[in-house]
Amino acid sequence: DVKVTQSSRYLVKRTGEKVFLECVQDMDHENMFWYRQDPGLGLRLIYFSYDVKMKEKGDIPEGYSVSREKKERFSLILESASTNQTSMYLCASSSGTGGHQPQHFGDGTRLSIL
Amino acid sequence: GQNIDQPTEMTATEGAIVQINCTYQTSGFNGLFWYQQHAGEAPTFLSYNVLDGLEEKGRFSSFLSRSKGYSYLLLKELQMKDSASYLCAVRVPYNNNDMRFGAGTRLTVKP
Repeated sequence: DVKVTQSSRYLVKRTGEKVFLECVQDMDHENMFWYRQDPGLGLRLIYFSYDVKMKEKGDIPEGYSVSREKKERFSLILESASTNQTSMYLCASSSGTGGHQPQHFGDGTRLSIL
Repeated sequence: GQNIDQPTEMTATEGAIVQINCTYQTSGFNGLFWYQQHAGEAPTFLSYNVLDGLEEKGRFSSFLSRSKGYSYLLLKELQMKDSASYLCAVRVPYNNNDMRFGAGTRLTVKP
């Protein structure tokens, strides 16, 4: 079974802090993704990566950055946290460049910015 | 733009059949996925359709009509554990086969 592990289930931070969310997958997947999930809006793509040291902006990259130094690890960074970044953050990974391969998700990090 | 629409909430009775619809308008199409997400948990993959027709997998079936931009997820013999959100997602042929998600349908199964 594919395992995608996010470092924290719940996180509380203060406005202006630099926040790191970590994600690790154990299936040697090329592609990794960061989404945020908000009620009524569905999953929105923040950033994705299709190879080590590669990163691409998704739909809502503002206020975020990412790092992929190793194939199995994809980190999301909130440079200066703001209250509108309070959300559920989901990491996902997938094999190859599409087709029938689904994305596999971690359990999510519920982040609150006070 | 990209639109993926599904009903916000549905309620059904244990043992019954429920159909969750999804309509989409996207720039390109490389397949449609359904995911199940229990509260506080990760979305888990249920089904994939890329050709028109019905795909059956146990109590769950998924249907696709590409010409109509329409899919549905059919759940039979409903169980209480099927109470969850169901997410429709379309794979699009850019951004390295990005997936576009609907907002999800929260299904409540009642005794």
